[in-house]
Amino acid sequence: DSGVTQTPKHLITATGQRVTLRCSPRSGDLSVYWYQQSLDQGLQFLIQYYNGEERAKGNILERFSAQQFPDLHSELNLSSLELGDSALYFCASSVSPSSTGELFFGEGSRLTVL
Amino acid sequence: DQQVKQNSPSLSVQEGRISILNCDYTNSMFDYFLWYKKYPAEGPTFLISISSIKDKNEDGRFTVFLNKSAKHLSLHIVPSQPGDSAVYFCAASAIGGTSYGKLTFGQGTILTVHP
Repeated sequence: DSGVTQTPKHLITATGQRVTLRCSPRSGDLSVYWYQQSLDQGLQFLIQYYNGEERAKGNILERFSAQQFPDLHSELNLSSLELGDSALYFCASSVSPSSTGELFFGEGSRLTVL
Repeated sequence: DQQVKQNSPSLSVQEGRISILNCDYTNSMFDYFLWYKKYPAEGPTFLISISSIKDKNEDGRFTVFLNKSAKHLSLHIVPSQPGDSAVYFCAASAIGGTSYGKLTFGQGTILTVHP
């Protein structure tokens, strides 16, 4: 158990819909990261927050947005969903924004868009 | 543009033998490298890391080697155990600048260790 909690674990929805994925970081971790893993792909970095502020952005689509709340939990919002958005979405956390790489990952949220 | 590549999708090894997983990178700005292990239905877990100022780091049965001139790193598991069967991801980061803790991952290698 990494201490990072993600909900929901599974989500099935239709094209054009909007979903919200939620992440609670490990106790004491201030930085949250979102990664997307599509079929047969490695994890693709989407976005990073540190103590409520956006710190780094990867190849995140404009239809996607995220935020980190004062209690440090984070939400990833995916809108106007397309079939290609079907993937595993991982949240990870770390103590600092510039850690030497060790991230603690949640179990992921599997999104299926039909 | 795949900046971190794991060219072997899968590897099969006998229990007790050595497992060698390889990873290549193209971005010269990467200066910290990590290996993560992932079991089905779980998130990746950190295994071992190496800074670019070193060429080897060892932790128990796991050793990571870094060849900066070749932009290549490898993970050696000796001896391999059936419980090591998992997907192994190589990852890299560029410390400082605007990259912060962002990791760039390879596609993963499925390791199967047969009893």
